[in-house]
Order: sequence, then C-alpha cells, then structure tokens
Amino acid sequence: AQSVSQHNHHVILSEAASLELGCNYSYGGTVNLFWYVQYPGQHLQLLLKYFSGDPLVKGIKGFEAEFIKSKFSFNLRKPSVQWSDTAEYFCAATSGTYKYIFGTGTRLKVLA
Amino acid sequence: DTGVSQNPRHKITKRGQNVTFRCDPISEHNRLYWYRQTLGQGPEFLTYFQNEAQLEKSRLLSDRFSAERPKGSFSTLEIQRTEQGDSAMYLCASSPAGPRNLEQYFGPGTRLTVT
Repeated sequence: AQSVSQHNHHVILSEAASLELGCNYSYGGTVNLFWYVQYPGQHLQLLLKYFSGDPLVKGIKGFEAEFIKSKFSFNLRKPSVQWSDTAEYFCAATSGTYKYIFGTGTRLKVLA
Repeated sequence: DTGVSQNPRHKITKRGQNVTFRCDPISEHNRLYWYRQTLGQGPEFLTYFQNEAQLEKSRLLSDRFSAERPKGSFSTLEIQRTEQGDSAMYLCASSPAGPRNLEQYFGPGTRLTVT
C-alpha cells in the first residue's frame, strides 16, 4: 500500500541549529512529493514540491529538500532555524492521482 | 488575496445529529478536495471533485458521509447520524487547472466535536 512515513514526531532545536526532517515514501513509479507547514493557529501552507528534474528543490523561507530515489526519501532541510520556524511539518506524496497521502507530521519547536 | 474558506470553523453536535460543512475554494480552481485530520495524524483523503464531478472517494467515506459540488464552485460535506469517532478537523483544499494542478491550497478547517 502507498504510504508516507515521518519518523521524527517531535524535534526541539535551538535557534541557528541546522534542521533535517525525514520523510520516506512507498510508491511504485513516478511520485510527486510535497512538504507543507502548519504554523500555530494557521492553515497548511505549501513549503516546496518535487515533480521531476533537479532532485534538490528550494522552497520558501530558506527550506530545501532532496529527493533520493534509491532511498525513497524526501528529507527537508534548513541550515539555520529561527524561532519563527516553530510549527508542524507534513510530508505528502501523490502518484498518478490527485489524492495526497500525508505523513503523520513532525512538530518542531525552536528555542529562542 | 482570497484563499480557501470554510464554514463553520467549529461545530459541536450531539451524537446522532446531522451536520453540514461548507467549503469555498479559491476562485477559478477547478478541483476541490476534502480531508479529515485527527489528533496526532496527518490529513487523510476523503474525496475530490473536478468541477462538479466527484471523481474519487476514499473508503473512509462511509454511507453516512456525502459531499456535493453542485455548480462546480463551493462544496458541502454532510455527515448524517454523527458518531463520536467523527470528531476531527475537516479540511478542504483546492487546486488550479494547468501545470500547477497538483498544488493543493488548504483552508483553515472545520473542527467537529461530537458529544
């Protein structure tokens, strides 16, 4: 069955620390991958997406993600987090359909 | 900038009652999606529309759930004979036609509490 896994459920970092959130998917064939962010009290917002081409994609607010096909991974990274990055982050995937499958999310808390 | 809007934002109902939620997508977005999110989980797909046609439904969408998008604009999600297990956040999203058709824009959600 198609699935998306996020193994880090809670992450706590100090400001200026580097961030990497894991995302693994199980899909056959072509896959489209997304990272969404949900700030406290706000709705889900698209951070970045991968459809094809360069496996390193850059999104808003300094975030980037790397698609590694051999590892079925699409990890989210940011070299230096800020307090304002405190949020919940969701990885999502779709393949040949408009239906997204989401991971369970990672709650990031950045300490000032 | 008018994003996806959902009404009501919160709904408390007693078990056995019917509830209806409304979603207004971003104008000119031809696809509209419904998801359900429970505590500690990511959103789970329920159904989606392309214009007024309902093209895919999840097995999560039991017979008590029905969604409509009669004129290809706003959509309603109705839950009949609510159960406590229906308590969740119901999210609506929309996406445009064309090359960005896989980018879904989410609304704030309707939080349903069934007592």
